[in-house]
Amino acid sequence: DADVTQTPRNRITKTGKRIMLECSQTKGHDRMYWYRQDPGLGLRLIYYSFDVKDINKGEISDGYSVSRQAQAKFSLSLESAIPNQTALYFCATSALGGVTDTQYFGPGTRLTVL
Amino acid sequence: GQQVMQIPQYQHVQEGEDFTTYCNSSTTLSNIQWYKQRPGGHPVFLIQLVKSGEVKKQKRLTFQFGEAKKNSSLHITATQTTDVGTYFCAGPPSGAGSYQLTFGKGTKLSVIP
Repeated sequence: DADVTQTPRNRITKTGKRIMLECSQTKGHDRMYWYRQDPGLGLRLIYYSFDVKDINKGEISDGYSVSRQAQAKFSLSLESAIPNQTALYFCATSALGGVTDTQYFGPGTRLTVL
Repeated sequence: GQQVMQIPQYQHVQEGEDFTTYCNSSTTLSNIQWYKQRPGGHPVFLIQLVKSGEVKKQKRLTFQFGEAKKNSSLHITATQTTDVGTYFCAGPPSGAGSYQLTFGKGTKLSVIP
């Protein structure tokens, strides 16, 4: 969805380096999410944020941190990257309220840690 | 924690054949959502089911939500090559404040022309 953008789209880095993945959205949604996708494992939630002051850990938050700089921006950091963090990372957004929690995904960032 | 299981993990069909993927949750869901991810792409929302026993159709796709709100299925009639991709189900557990989606591992559909 062009309303959710991620940078970079591809990144190769070395073990121990600090990496930041960025996500921006123009959908006006309050909720933002970071997922990791590995082959055969589906999508696993790393962190989610319901607004700028609300950050929550997901299923697999160890080794990651996030920052919600504004309603439209949500960044994911790997403080010291390791090879098993090699994966496809997706940012997603959803609107606040009700049972409608449809998520809109960005194009993804393919991260390789050597 | 909540687990969402999907079967089969892979399905190869001849173009024109039907396809079904099944989704089972370990807990009751407030709703079930289905997403499709094309090869090299990102997940895209297909549909949401909310009511017990609900059935919805989108052209050749039929979605069902079980009576107990713990299982769901997606059926594609007469598959086409454009149906290729991975289909994920996802749902938040029932209960106040449960907005996290737990995704199944997906069913990867290949269509042989």
